[in-house]
Amino acid sequence: GAVVSQHPSRVICKSGTSVKIECRSLDFQATTMFWYRQFPKQSLMLMATSNEGSKATYEQGVEKDKFLINHASLTLSTLTVTSAHPEDSSFYICSARVVEETQYFGPGTRLLVL
Amino acid sequence: EDKVVQSPLSLVVHEGDTVTLNCSYEVTNFRSLLWYKQEKKAPTFLFMLTSSGIEKKSGRLSSILDKKELFSILNITATQTGDSAVYLCAVGPGTYKYIFGTGTRLKVLA
Repeated sequence: GAVVSQHPSRVICKSGTSVKIECRSLDFQATTMFWYRQFPKQSLMLMATSNEGSKATYEQGVEKDKFLINHASLTLSTLTVTSAHPEDSSFYICSARVVEETQYFGPGTRLLVL
Repeated sequence: EDKVVQSPLSLVVHEGDTVTLNCSYEVTNFRSLLWYKQEKKAPTFLFMLTSSGIEKKSGRLSSILDKKELFSILNITATQTGDSAVYLCAVGPGTYKYIFGTGTRLKVLA
């Protein structure tokens, strides 16, 4: 199946700093990528849809100035958590739409904000 | 409001048992329903269902969709400890976005 990578796999940062998470499609081009957030023992919550070459579409309740998404190429989307706070600590997962409705997930990034 | 509900929330069985996981949904402009298995990290894709009544099968796992009654089931036969995971159901409401259910946490005891 299609391979999606994320970097870093885990990051610890101080409150107030910004953190960038990369999502790459390794063996295919992805015009659409998705960013999800998952709290412990909870399901995935879609944060935004990232389209190559255009602005991301954010879900209701997700602050676009807080979670900056850039999809500058067909193989890379980035999520930047700006001025991170402890409540932003979570597991962030990206996915890429391959064909039809199928999407493949990256391995996720665990963020801990101290 | 679109929603996806999975049941049961958790399940403990013994190796060799058969389990049935349920996913019901209410979404506008249904396109597809997907099943994922999530162990410690990101979900891995299992099945995509778009048509009613057509069973998808992969080894001991199978799934079927009922678009009239708005639900899908995921069956796992002869369960093994390696089947222990959270099983997620996601429904695409027609705009390439996916709404995930709460998941069913399955634990298979040796």
